[in-house]
Amino acid sequence: QVQLQGSGPGLVRPSQTLSLACTVSGASISSGSYYWSWFRQSAGKGLEWIGHFYTSGTTDYNPSLRDRVTISADKSDNHFSLTLSSVTAADTAVYYCARGIGDVGGYGSFDNWGPETLVIVSS
Amino acid sequence: DIQMTQSPASLSASIGDRVTITCRASLNIASYLNWYQQRPGKAPKLLIFGASSLQSGVPSRFTGSGSGTEFTLTITSLQPEDFASYFCQQGHSTPWTFGQGTKVEIK
Repeated sequence: QVQLQGSGPGLVRPSQTLSLACTVSGASISSGSYYWSWFRQSAGKGLEWIGHFYTSGTTDYNPSLRDRVTISADKSDNHFSLTLSSVTAADTAVYYCARGIGDVGGYGSFDNWGPETLVIVSS
Repeated sequence: DIQMTQSPASLSASIGDRVTITCRASLNIASYLNWYQQRPGKAPKLLIFGASSLQSGVPSRFTGSGSGTEFTLTITSLQPEDFASYFCQQGHSTPWTFGQGTKVEIK
């Protein structure tokens, strides 16, 4: 059974960097064809894809956030991380990590999600 | 970006009702359309992938149909646990994008 668990500070100061980690159990982030992904959800913008780390090692980001986002993976520890720089109040949201299917039979769908991680940007 | 337009934004229904939610894509996405259910305080849960394939463990009262730009999610015989929000998501190309959601409430 695949499980994802996000973690990180719930409060970030404006202009600082938001850092979250997602620990994966029940699957290896370096095996198969999966998009290890980050999403966020706020009342104003709905569900928004932030970016992903593919099992091959490539990354892809939402163009709206590309200049501020980095997603990296620690294969030895089986977790992947999100950093979002220069945050503002608009980055206040619930953040999720999730696994996306990169193969036939569900390509582009997200079958496993971690619980919500609330991040508030405030001084 | 591919825009996903979902309707209605909310609906009220009774236990046992048949409910239909519509999702429209701004361009042809073939069958790369997924549906999720989200309860308050919880992460989205995949219901349907590839427009019409039922995710393992999801009750058969959930069905998806459509291709190209028009898609529907139907819940036959609404159950108490189905009162939640539903989102469509295109899996055709990045950036992956979602509809704004449909909240299903108790009448």
